[in-house]
Amino acid sequence: EAAVTQSPRSKVAVTGGKVTLSCHQTNNHDYMYWYRQDTGHGLRLIHYSYVADSTEKGDIPDGYKASRPSQENFSLILELASLSQTAVYFCASSDGQGAEQFFGPGTRLTVL
Amino acid sequence: AQKVTQTQTSISVVEKTTVTMDCVYETRDSSYFLFWYKQTASGEIVFLIRQDSYKKENATVGHYSLNFQKPKSSIGLIITATQIEDSAVYFCAMRDHTNAYKVIFGKGTHLHVLP
Repeated sequence: EAAVTQSPRSKVAVTGGKVTLSCHQTNNHDYMYWYRQDTGHGLRLIHYSYVADSTEKGDIPDGYKASRPSQENFSLILELASLSQTAVYFCASSDGQGAEQFFGPGTRLTVL
Repeated sequence: AQKVTQTQTSISVVEKTTVTMDCVYETRDSSYFLFWYKQTASGEIVFLIRQDSYKKENATVGHYSLNFQKPKSSIGLIITATQIEDSAVYFCAMRDHTNAYKVIFGKGTHLHVLP
């Protein structure tokens, strides 16, 4: 069955450290997304990509970089992690512009 | 600018009744797509149902249906015969052609289904 997986599922990082969150999809989808969810809030788009080797900024890209080395893989990079980046991060994929998204299980990131 | 608003932060209903969750959206495009997603207590987010703006018929999937009122920019989610396991947070989302690769989410409505 097609799926979106994320690793790690949970991570504790120190302020100023580098964090890499990984996402892998077997849906054969062109579109991939990184969202951030804070307690009591909806999903906010950080970065997205519609083709390998290309990424686009979402609504809250500051402090984050993204990498799409292949159709299947999409990474989110925090070069200098900060306390305010403590949140749950979701990766998603979709097929086509009007299609629904399939989400990964999420990564709970705590920055201390 | 695109915007999706869910004004109901929390709703409680008794099991086996019908509930409607509201959602209004803003877009300048004449063609767009509307979605509802469910986030369970475990954190899992799953797609439920979609409505394409050019379709006049309301979408229905299982015990989920939509009340699409285009003149009011409104897309309500109706759950009939609610079950305890319907307790979750429900998100409304929109994608339009101006920003075809982006999906904008509302802040969600927490549904509590009581026995």
